[in-house]
Amino acid sequence: QKEVEQDPGPLSVPEGAIVSLNCTYSNSAFQYFMWYRQYSRKGPELLMYTYSSGNKEDGRFTAQVDKSSKYISLFIRDSQPSDSATYLCAMKGYSGAGSYQLTFGKGTKLSVIP
Amino acid sequence: DAGVTQSPTHLIKTRGQQVTLRCSPKSGHDTVSWYQQALGQGPQFIFQYYEEEERQRGNFPDRFSGHQFPNYSSELNVNALLLGDSALYLCASSPPGQGTYEQYFGPGTRLTVT
Repeated sequence: QKEVEQDPGPLSVPEGAIVSLNCTYSNSAFQYFMWYRQYSRKGPELLMYTYSSGNKEDGRFTAQVDKSSKYISLFIRDSQPSDSATYLCAMKGYSGAGSYQLTFGKGTKLSVIP
Repeated sequence: DAGVTQSPTHLIKTRGQQVTLRCSPKSGHDTVSWYQQALGQGPQFIFQYYEEEERQRGNFPDRFSGHQFPNYSSELNVNALLLGDSALYLCASSPPGQGTYEQYFGPGTRLTVT
């Protein structure tokens, strides 16, 4: 079992739809959770980060973490064609040998159709 | 602020050759991490440099080595290239005191090994 599982998609939605992207993880040491957006042939861009269970909102984006279920989500409201990209979840531990590296999911490719 | 910069943008090498990739971190950042991203996969952690020392290493062979300079810039060296080393190589930098969870990525260097 991989440490971080993410459905690669592709996911295609109409403009204006609410998008839900998800990751599950198996390592209980993961304490910090991030979402990155990666456009084709570009580096990942940090969208959201959080370290506690619950919701964190930033504009049209909401990150949700459920540590008891080892499940994180990213919601995009009023999706736009410019949101079309690959979305990567990433996480890291708080201390110990794995505390400095980010562990990524495979990424979900999203297309928002005008 | 130029953000994280990497050079070169693209590189084509032959099996068995050696390659050096370069990274300049975002202004004010002192920690540099390197990741390998194969096509359709999430980034995989190679190693991280802090205070000119390798602080943590992922599951990569010794053919992968690095260096950090006093101005915080960094190099990634790969010896005895294999076809499987073809990937996008990403550099990420982190600000001081952030526990490295807030990593900002450069555009990457696309390496093709023939």
